Amino acid sequence: QVHLVQSGTEVKKPGASVKVSCKASGYTFTAYYVHWVRQAPGQGLEWMGWINCNSGGTVYAQKFQDRVTMTRDTSISTAYMELNSLTSDDTAVYYCATGPLIVTFDYWGQGTQVTVSS
Amino acid sequence: QSALTQPASVSGSPGQSITISCTGSSSDVTIYNYNYVSWYQQHPGKAPKLMIYEVTNRPSGVSNRFSGSKSGNTASLTISGLQAEDEADYYCSSYTSSSTQVFGTGTKVTVL
Repeated sequence: QVHLVQSGTEVKKPGASVKVSCKASGYTFTAYYVHWVRQAPGQGLEWMGWINCNSGGTVYAQKFQDRVTMTRDTSISTAYMELNSLTSDDTAVYYCATGPLIVTFDYWGQGTQVTVSS
Repeated sequence: QSALTQPASVSGSPGQSITISCTGSSSDVTIYNYNYVSWYQQHPGKAPKLMIYEVTNRPSGVSNRFSGSKSGNTASLTISGLQAEDEADYYCSSYTSSSTQVFGTGTKVTVL
């Protein structure tokens, strides 16, 4: 079955960068897109962008256009999301999600807590 | 891209039916007449779970008490025969004309 395993908790200082990984198993990695979604404490879900794991092409939400980079390593079936210039507003749980339909998030990772604090 | 609009909270008694609305625009919910609206259930501290995709379809394993529909720029999720385990946050999501995705503001469902 499809399984997404994300990297562990991160604590960063303002201005730093964070890179979260998402290792996929149970399907052909290059067949699906991987999306990244975040959720700040007590807030709703926020879509950040997606990566086509076959071509490496990306689409980012306008809000993150200048600060986010999504990549993948097909040799180890892993997608990455790097966010730069962190502020306290970036404190959130970050999820990766995927599925056979580009527009649907069938499977989710367990989430990665990122805390930004001085 | 603004978030889709959902009611902040909806409540019902066990066995009742409730409906959650999700209002968007021609740039998302009603884009090109496509049916790219999904619904997700999230319990506290857990990752979201897909409940409905392409407006009306249920993934394997999701109870048939959950159903979806769409009229104009508003999609809806109906939960019939409300159960205690249905108490959770619910989010709609839609593909947009910018090839991006957008979530709804979220609805807290309370079982009285």
